[in-house]
Amino acid sequence: DQQVKQNSPSLSVQEGRISILNCDYTNSMFDYFLWYKKYPAEGPTFLISISSIKDKNEDGRFTVFLNKSAKHLSLHIVPSQPGDSAVYFCAASEGGGADGLTFGKGTHLIIQP
Amino acid sequence: DAGITQSPRHKVTETGTPVTLRCHQTENHRYMYWYRQDPGHGLRLIHYSYGVKDTDKGEVSDGYSVSRSKTEDFLLTLESATSSQTSVYFCAISESAVHGYTFGSGTRLTVV
Repeated sequence: DQQVKQNSPSLSVQEGRISILNCDYTNSMFDYFLWYKKYPAEGPTFLISISSIKDKNEDGRFTVFLNKSAKHLSLHIVPSQPGDSAVYFCAASEGGGADGLTFGKGTHLIIQP
Repeated sequence: DAGITQSPRHKVTETGTPVTLRCHQTENHRYMYWYRQDPGHGLRLIHYSYGVKDTDKGEVSDGYSVSRSKTEDFLLTLESATSSQTSVYFCAISESAVHGYTFGSGTRLTVV
């Protein structure tokens, strides 16, 4: 049973526009959420995170929103740049994440010129 | 990534042979993880370690074993490789989820 779901396998956005990537989760015990970015032939790299006690976290062009009642989070990238083209993974943990993060299947973001 | 290296980067092996993948860190992080990435599945946890000689199973541990005899090294062993274990394997290190995980560059394993 998939606990973290990214229902859009791919997303195409024009350069300069906003990219919105979505993630849903089913485990109400998750208390920390993270986004990772992955280029081909490289390992995932940490992008931004949010604790369940917050509803928004911002870091430069990247903002993550958390809606606990809907068990939904989203990553906003504004403005989108060509280098943002990558696969984005949503991940979640409970109790500090020592026993591993649970990942979604990923969304391939394509930024078009 | 700086501080974490995986070896080998690529390997082709035959069905039924044993295979060991190595993850080495220089960050002195307590936690280490092995994930596999497959199309349509994202990243799935195989095994993890929370200290020397302390390991536990993840979501997809069948057919895999691990060992951690030193803080810096975490080994993943496929005792008898099968074609279903063809995948890209990622090692990750962490102080805690609050800090995020740092991933290695991956090992592409092909079992023929």
